[in-house]
Amino acid sequence: EAGVAQSPRYKIIEKRQSVAFWCNPISGHATLYWYQQILGQGPKLLIQFQNNGVVDDSQLPKDRFSAERLKGVDSTLKIQPAKLEDSAVYLCASSLGQLILNTEAFFGQGTRLTVV
Amino acid sequence: DAKTTQPTSMDCAEGRAANLPCNHSTISGNEYVYWYRQIHSQGPQYIIHGLKNNETNEMASLIITEDRKSSTLILPHATLRDTAVYYCIGTQAGTALIFGKGTTLSVSS
Repeated sequence: EAGVAQSPRYKIIEKRQSVAFWCNPISGHATLYWYQQILGQGPKLLIQFQNNGVVDDSQLPKDRFSAERLKGVDSTLKIQPAKLEDSAVYLCASSLGQLILNTEAFFGQGTRLTVV
Repeated sequence: DAKTTQPTSMDCAEGRAANLPCNHSTISGNEYVYWYRQIHSQGPQYIIHGLKNNETNEMASLIITEDRKSSTLILPHATLRDTAVYYCIGTQAGTALIFGKGTTLSVSS
């Protein structure tokens, strides 16, 4: 079974530029998550999708971050414009359904973003 | 949101059992406790999860106290490759994993 695929693996941009990350979840997984992990900290949830609908985006800085999951499969996370403090690893995860239904989430390798 | 408390770091000798404790006194009755680990530069890796009963799989065992306020992850025979940050995780209303700071486990020969 293929895992969660993310691209690119690494990205370096200048502040105020825009950047986009792509995630392909495990086939058949209805729930998709984006996390931000700053060096030395645990991952922080940014947004959660159930199929193509948003379940929770309360932690997403909506003035600069946006995410979509067209057709309920692949997802993209965009930052525009980027700030220095956005330097982090962006992790995508997917699960069959809501975790309360006794399932687990699987993570991709992440995209390491450096803003200079 | 279910919050968890873990020791910052632990050491374990190779071949010995590693017992990682976690307090989760605010977890609600129908929310699972999850354990993940993260090896440097990789995404978090699922280990095990449980609700009330003890659980075992090929990677580890999970012991949950009867009052569900704490749990222990047991790696029966730790190897150098088990060196990682281990996260005991509650969920946000049963929908998303909410990570804390985790325990850095160092396995040495």
